[in-house]
Amino acid sequence: GESVGLHLPTLSVQEGDNSIINCAYSNSASDYFIWYKQESGKGPQFIIDIRSNMDKRQGQRVTVLLNKTVKHLSLQIAATQPGDSAVYFCAEIPSNAGGTSYGKLTFGQGTILTVHP
Amino acid sequence: DARVTQTPRHKVTEMGQEVTMRCQPILGHNTVFWYRQTMMQGLELLAYFRNRAPLDDSGMPKDRFSAEMPDATLATLKIQPSEPRDSAVYFCASAQAGETQYFGPGTRLTVL
Repeated sequence: GESVGLHLPTLSVQEGDNSIINCAYSNSASDYFIWYKQESGKGPQFIIDIRSNMDKRQGQRVTVLLNKTVKHLSLQIAATQPGDSAVYFCAEIPSNAGGTSYGKLTFGQGTILTVHP
Repeated sequence: DARVTQTPRHKVTEMGQEVTMRCQPILGHNTVFWYRQTMMQGLELLAYFRNRAPLDDSGMPKDRFSAEMPDATLATLKIQPSEPRDSAVYFCASAQAGETQYFGPGTRLTVL
């Protein structure tokens, strides 16, 4: 029978290229965003975060850009390496209006990044 | 290097059996989350606690799943009775309230 499941977007790049992974978020009230990397057989691993009062944040080889106007988040990875191959998730946390959020994350679907040597 | 730990890492059981998964959050974190990940549904939030009190368990099948925090260093997720559709990877994550969640390595559950 036909298999049914999530069909994640995929991105294939060559080692050394720059990668850009995109994410559209849904809640305009979200004020905290996180990118996670999940390698096969492991839990999601924190990469970088950004708050809604910022447009850009840089880490080691990674940059996150936030466009609140169109509710879009992107993760840029410079000089992509085979070890970067994984599923990348964006996640959002709504603003803690009324103190009820408690950091509850809403995850995006994920993007599969494959880096070819 | 502080990290979330989960036990067991793998569990194979037969339908109808009780399954208990354990999580030790990062010391000092006051919020603990349980997630389930499957190919069909992706990452789903099952329940979460703050200062050991359950805040939201609306993602959890109430009739067979239960989550508790007996103390600040231990969170448990129990399934009784287990069913094949419960087969998944179960992740625990901990955070300081409202801040970044750090995930454990997961428990891969297979119910035959």
